[in-house]
Amino acid sequence: DAGVTQSPTHLIKTRGQQVTLRCSPKSGHDTVSWYQQALGQGPQFIFQYYEEEERQRGNFPDRFSGHQFPNYSSELNVNALLLGDSALYLCASSGRDRVGGYTFGSGTRLTVV
Amino acid sequence: GDSVTQMEGPVTLSEEAFLTINCTYTATGYPSLFWYVQYPGEGLQLLLKATKADDKGSNKGFEATYRKETTSFHLEKGSVQVSDSAVYFCAHMDTGRRALTFGSGTRLQVQP
Repeated sequence: DAGVTQSPTHLIKTRGQQVTLRCSPKSGHDTVSWYQQALGQGPQFIFQYYEEEERQRGNFPDRFSGHQFPNYSSELNVNALLLGDSALYLCASSGRDRVGGYTFGSGTRLTVV
Repeated sequence: GDSVTQMEGPVTLSEEAFLTINCTYTATGYPSLFWYVQYPGEGLQLLLKATKADDKGSNKGFEATYRKETTSFHLEKGSVQVSDSAVYFCAHMDTGRRALTFGSGTRLQVQP
């Protein structure tokens, strides 16, 4: 049973560019959340998608946007990249109860140079 | 605002030693509490959880009890192994907001 799948695993971008990260949730899960984990820090909540709509959003600027597709997969887009956007981006999925906890992917390591 | 505070690491122990990693939280309402573990180069894995006061979560020899009166959820293990070396994150989730708030993580190093 595949868990949460993220692509790519590593990415290097130049400041000012745009990037798209992808996530396929665990089978049976319909809710996808995105987190940013800076080096040596805990993950920070970016936003959550359910039924193809953004349901919750953390304290991130509008440069961070997302999308959820009918098959529940999701994309995270970041525009006008800054050096400070360099981090591990984690996707997490859950079923409808959400209280059971989230299943995390292995993440995409984004480096902005 | 909501927050989670963990003891700073690294915590270095010898194999078979007793482990405690402290975690306290601030939150409105009655959040669910979690411990996640992150091995090098990997994402987070759910270790255990508790959804209401006095609940005890347990898994793989690790335990944590939801203490509402002290707003704490300390992680314990009676005898650690080298394979337990990882970073441990305490987190809570407000049932209304349904987003996890994490602590900054505690690195555990277990020496043979």
